[in-house]
Amino acid sequence: GAVVSQHPSRVICKSGTSVKIECRSLDFQATTMFWYRQFPKQSLMLMATSNEGSKATYEQGVEKDKFLINHASLTLSTLTVTSAHPEDSSFYICSAKELQGNRGSPLHFGNGTRLTVT
Amino acid sequence: AQKVTQAQTEISVVEKEDVTLDCVYETRDTTYYLFWYKQPPSGELVFLIRRNSFDEQNEISGRYSWNFQKSTSSFNFTITASQVVDSAVYFCALSVLSNYGGSQGNLIFGKGTKLSVKP
Repeated sequence: GAVVSQHPSRVICKSGTSVKIECRSLDFQATTMFWYRQFPKQSLMLMATSNEGSKATYEQGVEKDKFLINHASLTLSTLTVTSAHPEDSSFYICSAKELQGNRGSPLHFGNGTRLTVT
Repeated sequence: AQKVTQAQTEISVVEKEDVTLDCVYETRDTTYYLFWYKQPPSGELVFLIRRNSFDEQNEISGRYSWNFQKSTSSFNFTITASQVVDSAVYFCALSVLSNYGGSQGNLIFGKGTKLSVKP
């Protein structure tokens, strides 16, 4: 089945530093990947849609200069949290849809990255 | 606007009991998809089922069954003879074909229901 690999699974960083999270589709190509954020005991909230070869589309209220997204290939999207602060501590999870997928295709999720900013 | 409501925040049952997780959705679209995902304590999201808006047939997969009723905009999930390994947070999600209300292909999630199955 379709596998999405997300790395790292857990990261602790100091306030003011930047953290990069990678999301790879291992056995399929994905023109679109989605980045979600999940606060403790909360639902998943879409942060941005990552489009291969073009700029990401950010949801309202998400700072694009703080959460940099790069989707350089059909199998890799990265999310960089710049100048991280403790309030950025959260569970970040990426998902991808297969290239031939339509809007009814299920999203395949990575295992998530738990970011803790001290 | 699109919305998914999972009114049950937490449910606790004893092993072998049957349990139903409720999901109510809102959308103006006539074509849409509904999903259920399982999130165990380890955090990953596991896809369980997809249903499109034109298929109201109920589905059974082992101990899992789903009841889709457009008349009440509900897509409920039942686990029969629950097991401890079923303990997880379960999310219901909606995907619409139109672009308004969010990115195309994006899933709109409910808040999730935490299911605890005790031995």
